[in-house]
Amino acid sequence: GAVVSQHPSRVICKSGTSVKIECRSLDFQATTMFWYRQFPKQSLMLMATSNEGSKATYEQGVEKDKFLINHASLTLSTLTVTSAHPEDSSFYICSARAPGRLREQFFGPGTRLTVL
Amino acid sequence: AQTVTQSQPEMSVQEAETVTLSCTYDTSESDYYLFWYKQPPSRQMILVIRQEAYKQQNATENRFSVNFQKAAKSFSLKISDSQLGDAAMYFCAYLIQGAQKLVFGQGTRLTINP
Repeated sequence: GAVVSQHPSRVICKSGTSVKIECRSLDFQATTMFWYRQFPKQSLMLMATSNEGSKATYEQGVEKDKFLINHASLTLSTLTVTSAHPEDSSFYICSARAPGRLREQFFGPGTRLTVL
Repeated sequence: AQTVTQSQPEMSVQEAETVTLSCTYDTSESDYYLFWYKQPPSRQMILVIRQEAYKQQNATENRFSVNFQKAAKSFSLKISDSQLGDAAMYFCAYLIQGAQKLVFGQGTRLTINP
């Protein structure tokens, strides 16, 4: 149980385009989801916390107009990278909290974004 | 602010031997949770072990155990009988209670030598 999926696993896009990444909890309802960014050989950096039905809470230094987060249902959160540029190329990971297991986060497999 | 420090960027160990990965953290909270996550080449984050700060007993999960020293704010991971499949990046993480956010250390890359 507590499986989280992400789609797509890899995406390559041209500079200036927008890219949407989906994060789904497959076998539980996630009231809270988290979005992380991981540069090569570095740690995970939290970008934002997403609560179902409310606006996301962004970490300091993360542009909310650049990284749009929508948590429209208890099983789906989306991250849209708007007007992507090469410096946005990174590995994006989502995680979710499961009811009754609030101290744990279950991670998706990640999405590798390459902006040309 | 809570911080997590892993001072060993890389570690290596012979297969079947024991290795210890270090982690220290800084916090003013008295009740918190600590975690070790494994990230293999697939990049999937996998929970290895967790420790509740109010518990004095060190957590154990099969070949994985921790040495939790609350006063010293130290949380090391011991891997016994190392296996080739243990090769991965290992991240120590602290859970901020109120916001339920995880703060990760820099990671330690573990190599297992056959």
